[in-house]
Amino acid sequence: GENVEQHPSTLSVQEGDSAVIKCTYSDSASNYFPWYKQELGKRPQLIIDIRSNVGEKKDQRIAVTLNKTAKHFSLHITETQPEDSAVYFCAASKDTGRRALTFGSGTRLQVQP
Amino acid sequence: GAVVSQHPSRVICKSGTSVKIECRSLDFQATTMFWYRQFPKQSLMLMATSNEGSKATYEQGVEKDKFLINHASLTLSTLTVTSAHPEDSSFYICSVADRVGGYTFGSGTRLTVV
Repeated sequence: GENVEQHPSTLSVQEGDSAVIKCTYSDSASNYFPWYKQELGKRPQLIIDIRSNVGEKKDQRIAVTLNKTAKHFSLHITETQPEDSAVYFCAASKDTGRRALTFGSGTRLQVQP
Repeated sequence: GAVVSQHPSRVICKSGTSVKIECRSLDFQATTMFWYRQFPKQSLMLMATSNEGSKATYEQGVEKDKFLINHASLTLSTLTVTSAHPEDSSFYICSVADRVGGYTFGSGTRLTVV
């Protein structure tokens, strides 16, 4: 089955700096790569996603890049703010609708004011 | 996306009792639902895939006789934790693959077994 690895496990940045979180996946058939933000005790919230026919996607301060050849994808957050502090998970799936997501291990992002 | 309702949000039960968790797709007929478990400071781990009208598919290491899944309609899947023990204390969350190719999560259930 799919295996998703995520790094780093913790990340501390100063407010205004950029943060980058990286994930690799094992199944070349995976074609959907979402990123989630999860606050303590809450459900994961989708912040951005990308499909395998696209190399990059941006939404304001958040961007995701995908390298299908290398089987890795990254989350980029620019101009970080204290409210960006949370746990972030990457995930991968193929055949969305019938197959579940496989999650990375998570990254705890701390933005220092 | 889809609107997914999960109940209860929190439950405390005594060791040895059973607990039922409901996951409803409010605006979408979901033939497939997914159940995850998340221990503190860990990731979401898939427990099983719930299929409407048929048996659930369990992940390796998940006891199907302990975690009973019923998906009797296109809008409701239930997870029953039978003979719960303290090590079953966790955050249980359901997910629906929505109509636009993404996933919607329920609000989760915090189970504490005492």
